[in-house]
Amino acid sequence: DTAVSQTPKYLVTQMGNDKSIKCEQNLGHDTMYWYKQDSKKFLKIMFSYNNKELIINETVPNRFSPKSPDKAHLNLHINSLELGDSAVYFCASSDWGGRTDTQYFGPGTRLTVL
Amino acid sequence: DAKTTQPPSMDCAEGRAANLPCNHSTISGNEYVYWYRQIHSQGPQYIIHGLKNNETNEMASLIITEDRKSSTLILPHATLRDTAVYYCIVRVPHSGSARQLTFGSGTQLTVLP
Repeated sequence: DTAVSQTPKYLVTQMGNDKSIKCEQNLGHDTMYWYKQDSKKFLKIMFSYNNKELIINETVPNRFSPKSPDKAHLNLHINSLELGDSAVYFCASSDWGGRTDTQYFGPGTRLTVL
Repeated sequence: DAKTTQPPSMDCAEGRAANLPCNHSTISGNEYVYWYRQIHSQGPQYIIHGLKNNETNEMASLIITEDRKSSTLILPHATLRDTAVYYCIVRVPHSGSARQLTFGSGTQLTVLP
């Protein structure tokens, strides 16, 4: 069983469209994250979500909105897509109070905005 | 989180030990050393972490110097599937408002046949 899964794996869309990426974890974790990896391969945190508390990276445009229907899911909705949003988006999860504080990552969603 | 310095790239022969260094000279007393890797087109994968004692698990060994200013990740018998970017991250567990991992540029390890 895949611990952290994301759909879709690839997403190609036009500028100005609205799209969503879904993430699910079956690890029983209470915290989930979204990271963005740009063309230069740097990975940066976008959001973390713990027990209905959203913690936002201030540099993320408000066109990006995470939504968590329950602890096992954290979806990322993006409005008015721009060329610069093209990147690979990784979801991750962890146990907030866990002993090791390690994060488990999904396989990524490669978003291409044309 | 303390800043880390890693070589941008390294090669290793298949079957030999891969030793990946990391400098973290400004590490503070409560910061741990974490290692993750990212195989091409996949999500990052946790490998190992430690505070000051050497650690070993089924994937790798972590050697931390006595002054804790540097560490080495050891893959004892590298295989082609170990080709990846390896990230050394120094952080206090359960810290940061977002509990985020701060990734640097890492070391691209290429295992050669």
